[in-house]
Amino acid sequence: DTAVSQTPKYLVTQMGNDKSIKCEQNLGHDTMYWYKQDSKKFLKIMFSYNNKELIINETVPNRFSPKSPDKAHLNLHINSLELGDSAVYFCASSQTGFMDTQYFGPGTRLTVL
Amino acid sequence: RKEVEQDPGPFNVPEGATVAFNCTYSNSASQSFFWYRQDCRKEPKLLMSVYSSGNEDGRFTAQLNRASQYISLLIRDSKLSDSATYLCVVPNTGGFKTIFGAGTRLFVKA
Repeated sequence: DTAVSQTPKYLVTQMGNDKSIKCEQNLGHDTMYWYKQDSKKFLKIMFSYNNKELIINETVPNRFSPKSPDKAHLNLHINSLELGDSAVYFCASSQTGFMDTQYFGPGTRLTVL
Repeated sequence: RKEVEQDPGPFNVPEGATVAFNCTYSNSASQSFFWYRQDCRKEPKLLMSVYSSGNEDGRFTAQLNRASQYISLLIRDSKLSDSATYLCVVPNTGGFKTIFGAGTRLFVKA
């Protein structure tokens, strides 16, 4: 059973389009995260949710909007995609909060043309 | 000073070698630390956590020096399968978030 799953695994799209990435965890964790890993492999936190409530919202363009319908799901919607949005996006979850071990999904490789 | 800084690497070592990576952190209030491993085109996975002075798990030893604010990871008897990027991770209690280092790339050669 996959603990943290993301769909799609690959996403290739044109500039200006809107796209969504879905994430689900079956670990019963309270906290979920979105990270962006750019071409230099630097992993940076974007958002963090605890029990469906937004905890962290880093300096991310407001074209990025997370949504957590329940504590097992955290989706990411991106409007008006730009070339600089090309990266790998990882979803993760942890038992209670940021001090715990985080379990990552397989990543979504987004390419904006 | 960056919140978390790692040896940039890459480290190229032969099988059987011992290799050590360092990681420095800026937040003196940090209490727990992690080493994650990331294989090429894969997600990061926990290698080990460090809560007190250190931790050991088989060939891997992590040490914490609070006075100097650094964590090290020692890998003994390197295997080909140890080739990966090793990420130093420090929870930032002030910002309620986790800071990942840029990673240290390790190549183990036959």
